[in-house]
Amino acid sequence: KNEVEQSPQNLTAQEGEFITINCSYSVGISALHWLQQHPGGGIVSLFMLSSGKKKHGRLIATINIQEKHSSLHITASHPRDSAVYICAVTPTLIQGAQKLVFGQGTRLTINP
Amino acid sequence: DVKVTQSSRYLVKRTGEKVFLECVQDMDHENMFWYRQDPGLGLRLIYFSYDVKMKEKGDIPEGYSVSREKKERFSLILESASTNQTSMYLCASSPIGYSYEQYFGPGTRLTVT
Repeated sequence: KNEVEQSPQNLTAQEGEFITINCSYSVGISALHWLQQHPGGGIVSLFMLSSGKKKHGRLIATINIQEKHSSLHITASHPRDSAVYICAVTPTLIQGAQKLVFGQGTRLTINP
Repeated sequence: DVKVTQSSRYLVKRTGEKVFLECVQDMDHENMFWYRQDPGLGLRLIYFSYDVKMKEKGDIPEGYSVSREKKERFSLILESASTNQTSMYLCASSPIGYSYEQYFGPGTRLTVT
């Protein structure tokens, strides 16, 4: 079983819909990251959070430390939001450099 | 603007060749990482470095080595490329500590024929 699980693996929606991507993890963490990767592109960090909620434009990320769960929401989705969204965590018990443990990613397609 | 650059976007090599992938960051970060990304397997850590000349194995180091002679540069070496090393390779860097995001390069798509 992966330490970081995302759902769904694939998601197709119509423009304007509210999108939710979920991430569950099984280890203690110091931070959780949401990353975005457009086709053929590099990876961009969207959020890093250790508690509560963060918002940036139409994107909202929440985390529940007790339940070991995080969600990424996109409001008023647009075709340019089509990308792979990756959840990653920084485990607390790993010494040395900050290592990330990644989920498998969620491929989001927004149709016009 | 922070920047992580990789030497090539696309690379085609033959089986048995020695391959060098270069990564340079301009943010004075202590940590640097090499990942490979494969469909269905996600991102997997090959090696990382937390200081010049320091390196540690990640989850899949077999068939790879690394070099970090200068703080800004981290090289991934495929000693004898094989077809199962065909993949997307991503470099990242971050400041030292547990509460910093990683900055990724654009990736190198390597094909070994």
